[in-house]
Amino acid sequence: DAGVIQSPRHEVTEMGQEVTLRCKPISGHNSLFWYRQTMMRGLELLIYFNNNVPIDDSGMPEDRFSAKMPNASFSTLKIQPSEPRDSAVYFCASSPRTSAFDTQYFGPGTRLTVL
Amino acid sequence: SQKIEQNSEALNIQEGKTATLTCNYTNYSPAYLQWYRQDPGRGPVFLLLIRENEKEKRKERLKVTFDTTLKQSLFHITASQPADSATYLCALDPTKGGYQKVTFGTGTKLQVIP
Repeated sequence: DAGVIQSPRHEVTEMGQEVTLRCKPISGHNSLFWYRQTMMRGLELLIYFNNNVPIDDSGMPEDRFSAKMPNASFSTLKIQPSEPRDSAVYFCASSPRTSAFDTQYFGPGTRLTVL
Repeated sequence: SQKIEQNSEALNIQEGKTATLTCNYTNYSPAYLQWYRQDPGRGPVFLLLIRENEKEKRKERLKVTFDTTLKQSLFHITASQPADSATYLCALDPTKGGYQKVTFGTGTKLQVIP
Protein backbone atom coordinates (compact mmCIF):
# COMPACT_ATOMS: atom_id res chain seq x y z
CA ASP A 1 0.00 0.00 0.00
CA ALA A 2 1.22 3.51 -0.77
CA GLY A 3 0.32 4.87 2.62
CA VAL A 4 -1.31 8.24 3.22
CA ILE A 5 -0.45 10.65 0.43
CA GLN A 6 -0.31 14.39 0.93
CA SER A 7 0.31 17.19 -1.50
CA PRO A 8 2.03 19.48 -1.83
CA ARG A 9 4.94 18.58 0.42
CA HIS A 10 5.99 22.22 0.70
CA GLU A 11 3.97 25.36 0.17
CA VAL A 12 5.18 28.92 0.39
CA THR A 13 2.61 31.63 -0.01
CA GLU A 14 1.99 35.22 0.85
CA MET A 15 -0.34 36.47 3.52
CA GLY A 16 -3.89 36.76 2.29
CA GLN A 17 -3.63 34.02 -0.31
CA GLU A 18 -5.77 30.91 -0.35
CA VAL A 19 -4.01 27.65 0.46
CA THR A 20 -5.38 24.17 -0.28
CA LEU A 21 -3.77 21.07 1.17
CA ARG A 22 -4.71 17.65 -0.15
CA CYS A 23 -4.83 14.18 1.32
CA LYS A 24 -5.46 10.70 -0.01
CA PRO A 25 -6.04 8.23 2.85
CA ILE A 26 -5.12 4.59 2.78
CA SER A 27 -7.66 2.63 0.76
CA GLY A 28 -10.26 1.01 2.98
CA HIS A 29 -9.72 3.36 5.90
CA ASN A 30 -12.88 5.14 6.93
CA SER A 31 -11.50 7.61 9.47
CA LEU A 32 -9.47 10.65 8.47
CA PHE A 33 -7.78 13.25 10.62
CA TRP A 34 -6.11 16.60 9.93
CA TYR A 35 -3.42 17.77 12.36
CA ARG A 36 -1.19 20.81 12.64
CA GLN A 37 2.26 20.65 14.21
CA THR A 38 4.31 23.57 15.50
CA MET A 39 7.24 23.76 17.89
CA MET A 40 5.24 25.73 20.42
CA ARG A 41 1.99 23.76 20.43
CA GLY A 42 3.04 20.33 19.23
CA LEU A 43 0.60 18.17 17.27
CA GLU A 44 -2.98 19.45 17.40
CA LEU A 45 -6.06 17.76 15.97
CA LEU A 46 -7.95 20.11 13.66
CA ILE A 47 -10.79 17.94 12.37
CA TYR A 48 -11.88 14.32 12.27
CA PHE A 49 -14.00 12.63 9.57
CA ASN A 50 -15.69 9.28 9.76
CA ASN A 51 -17.17 7.78 6.59
CA ASN A 52 -16.62 11.16 4.90
CA VAL A 53 -18.69 13.01 7.51
CA PRO A 54 -17.06 15.61 9.78
CA ILE A 55 -17.48 14.38 13.35
CA ASP A 56 -15.43 16.84 15.35
CA ASP A 57 -14.12 20.16 14.06
CA SER A 58 -13.59 21.74 17.46
CA GLY A 59 -9.88 22.03 16.76
CA MET A 60 -10.30 24.19 13.67
CA PRO A 61 -8.76 27.49 14.80
CA GLU A 62 -11.17 29.86 13.10
CA ASP A 63 -13.47 30.39 10.16
CA ARG A 64 -10.54 30.88 7.84
CA PHE A 65 -10.02 27.11 8.01
CA SER A 66 -12.32 24.67 6.26
CA ALA A 67 -12.07 20.98 5.44
CA LYS A 68 -13.97 18.71 3.09
CA MET A 69 -14.08 15.05 2.30
CA PRO A 70 -16.12 14.61 -0.89
CA ASN A 71 -15.39 10.89 -1.09
CA ALA A 72 -13.58 8.12 0.73
CA SER A 73 -10.32 8.67 -1.12
CA PHE A 74 -9.82 12.42 -0.94
CA SER A 75 -9.86 15.27 1.54
CA THR A 76 -8.84 18.92 1.45
CA LEU A 77 -7.93 21.46 4.08
CA LYS A 78 -8.31 25.04 2.95
CA ILE A 79 -7.07 28.24 4.57
CA GLN A 80 -8.52 31.47 3.22
CA PRO A 81 -7.08 34.00 3.77
CA SER A 82 -3.79 32.66 5.06
CA GLU A 83 -1.78 34.43 7.77
CA PRO A 84 1.84 34.09 8.90
CA ARG A 85 0.72 32.39 12.14
CA ASP A 86 -0.68 29.55 10.04
CA SER A 87 2.87 28.51 9.20
CA ALA A 88 3.25 24.93 10.40
CA VAL A 89 3.44 21.35 9.22
CA TYR A 90 0.01 19.94 8.43
CA PHE A 91 -0.48 16.20 8.68
CA CYS A 92 -3.25 14.00 7.44
CA ALA A 93 -3.80 10.61 9.08
CA SER A 94 -6.20 7.76 8.42
CA SER A 95 -7.40 4.79 10.41
CA PRO A 96 -9.17 1.60 9.37
CA ARG A 97 -12.05 1.64 11.82
CA THR A 98 -13.75 3.74 14.40
CA SER A 99 -12.62 1.66 17.32
CA ALA A 100 -11.07 3.82 19.98
CA PHE A 101 -8.06 1.53 20.02
CA ASP A 102 -7.20 1.69 16.33
CA THR A 103 -3.96 3.34 15.44
CA GLN A 104 -3.57 6.19 13.02
CA TYR A 105 -1.35 6.18 9.96
CA PHE A 106 0.17 9.54 9.19
CA GLY A 107 1.14 11.02 5.88
CA PRO A 108 4.47 12.79 5.31
CA GLY A 109 2.98 16.22 5.99
CA THR A 110 2.82 19.53 4.15
CA ARG A 111 5.16 22.23 5.37
CA LEU A 112 3.33 25.55 4.96
CA THR A 113 5.12 28.87 5.13
CA VAL A 114 3.05 32.03 4.97
CA LEU A 115 5.13 35.15 4.37
CA SER B 1 -6.91 22.22 32.69
CA GLN B 2 -5.90 19.06 30.87
CA LYS B 3 -2.22 18.69 30.20
CA ILE B 4 0.20 16.12 28.80
CA GLU B 5 3.84 16.64 29.69
CA GLN B 6 6.89 15.12 28.12
CA ASN B 7 10.41 16.21 28.85
CA SER B 8 11.07 18.96 26.35
CA GLU B 9 14.80 18.64 26.77
CA ALA B 10 16.59 16.19 24.52
CA LEU B 11 17.70 12.92 26.04
CA ASN B 12 21.23 11.84 25.12
CA ILE B 13 22.32 8.32 25.96
CA GLN B 14 25.15 6.00 25.03
CA GLU B 15 24.55 3.21 22.56
CA GLY B 16 23.67 -0.03 24.31
CA LYS B 17 22.09 1.66 27.32
CA THR B 18 18.39 1.73 28.15
CA ALA B 19 16.56 4.92 27.28
CA THR B 20 13.60 5.87 29.46
CA LEU B 21 11.13 8.54 28.37
CA THR B 22 8.36 9.91 30.55
CA CYS B 23 4.81 10.99 29.79
CA ASN B 24 2.82 12.62 32.58
CA TYR B 25 -0.76 13.79 32.33
CA THR B 26 -3.18 15.72 34.48
CA ASN B 27 -6.97 15.93 34.51
CA TYR B 28 -7.40 13.01 32.13
CA SER B 29 -8.77 9.53 32.70
CA PRO B 30 -7.70 7.87 29.47
CA ALA B 31 -8.81 4.43 28.38
CA TYR B 32 -5.46 3.98 26.66
CA LEU B 33 -2.18 5.63 25.88
CA GLN B 34 -0.12 5.36 22.70
CA TRP B 35 3.51 5.99 21.84
CA TYR B 36 4.63 7.21 18.43
CA ARG B 37 8.01 7.78 16.85
CA GLN B 38 8.65 10.77 14.60
CA ASP B 39 11.71 11.25 12.42
CA PRO B 40 12.63 14.68 11.01
CA GLY B 41 10.50 15.60 8.01
CA ARG B 42 8.16 12.66 8.49
CA GLY B 43 4.83 11.95 10.11
CA PRO B 44 4.54 10.09 13.41
CA VAL B 45 4.61 6.31 13.28
CA PHE B 46 2.68 4.23 15.80
CA LEU B 47 4.74 2.03 18.12
CA LEU B 48 2.69 0.73 21.03
CA LEU B 49 -0.70 1.07 22.69
CA ILE B 50 -1.34 0.24 26.34
CA ARG B 51 -4.80 0.10 27.88
CA GLU B 52 -5.74 1.41 31.30
CA ASN B 53 -6.06 -2.11 32.72
CA GLU B 54 -2.58 -3.09 31.51
CA LYS B 55 0.48 -2.36 33.59
CA GLU B 56 3.09 -3.19 30.99
CA LYS B 57 3.39 -3.87 27.27
CA ARG B 58 6.41 -5.11 25.33
CA LYS B 59 7.40 -5.22 21.71
CA GLU B 60 10.90 -6.38 20.84
CA ARG B 61 13.26 -3.87 22.54
CA LEU B 62 10.42 -1.57 23.54
CA LYS B 63 8.55 -1.59 26.82
CA VAL B 64 5.76 0.68 27.99
CA THR B 65 4.32 0.98 31.48
CA PHE B 66 1.12 2.73 32.46
CA ASP B 67 0.39 3.84 36.01
CA THR B 68 -3.08 5.37 36.20
CA THR B 69 -2.57 6.26 39.86
CA LEU B 70 0.57 8.27 39.17
CA LYS B 71 -0.91 9.40 35.84
CA GLN B 72 2.29 8.45 34.13
CA SER B 73 3.60 6.28 31.33
CA LEU B 74 7.22 5.26 30.90
CA PHE B 75 8.66 4.24 27.54
CA HIS B 76 11.82 2.17 27.56
CA ILE B 77 14.15 1.25 24.73
CA THR B 78 16.64 -1.40 25.76
CA ALA B 79 20.00 -1.93 24.07
CA SER B 80 19.54 1.40 22.33
CA GLN B 81 21.02 1.98 18.87
CA PRO B 82 21.82 5.15 16.94
CA ALA B 83 18.90 4.24 14.65
CA ASP B 84 16.59 4.77 17.63
CA SER B 85 17.39 8.49 17.55
CA ALA B 86 14.11 10.30 16.92
CA THR B 87 11.38 12.23 18.70
CA TYR B 88 8.95 10.13 20.68
CA LEU B 89 5.40 11.28 21.27
CA CYS B 90 2.85 9.99 23.71
CA ALA B 91 -0.84 10.34 22.98
CA LEU B 92 -3.97 9.58 24.95
CA ASP B 93 -7.69 9.74 24.46
CA PRO B 94 -9.26 12.59 26.39
CA THR B 95 -12.79 11.32 25.82
CA LYS B 96 -12.44 7.89 27.41
CA GLY B 97 -14.15 5.28 25.34
CA GLY B 98 -15.12 7.71 22.67
CA TYR B 99 -13.89 7.77 19.14
CA GLN B 100 -10.29 8.03 18.17
CA LYS B 101 -9.64 11.60 19.13
CA VAL B 102 -6.25 11.57 20.77
CA THR B 103 -4.24 14.36 22.30
CA PHE B 104 -0.49 14.33 21.76
CA GLY B 105 2.32 15.43 24.00
CA THR B 106 4.97 17.69 22.53
CA GLY B 107 7.49 14.87 22.37
CA THR B 108 10.96 14.10 23.66
CA LYS B 109 13.93 14.01 21.33
CA LEU B 110 16.18 11.02 21.89
CA GLN B 111 19.77 11.02 20.67
CA VAL B 112 21.68 7.72 20.91
CA ILE B 113 25.40 8.34 20.79
CA PRO B 114 27.58 5.66 19.15
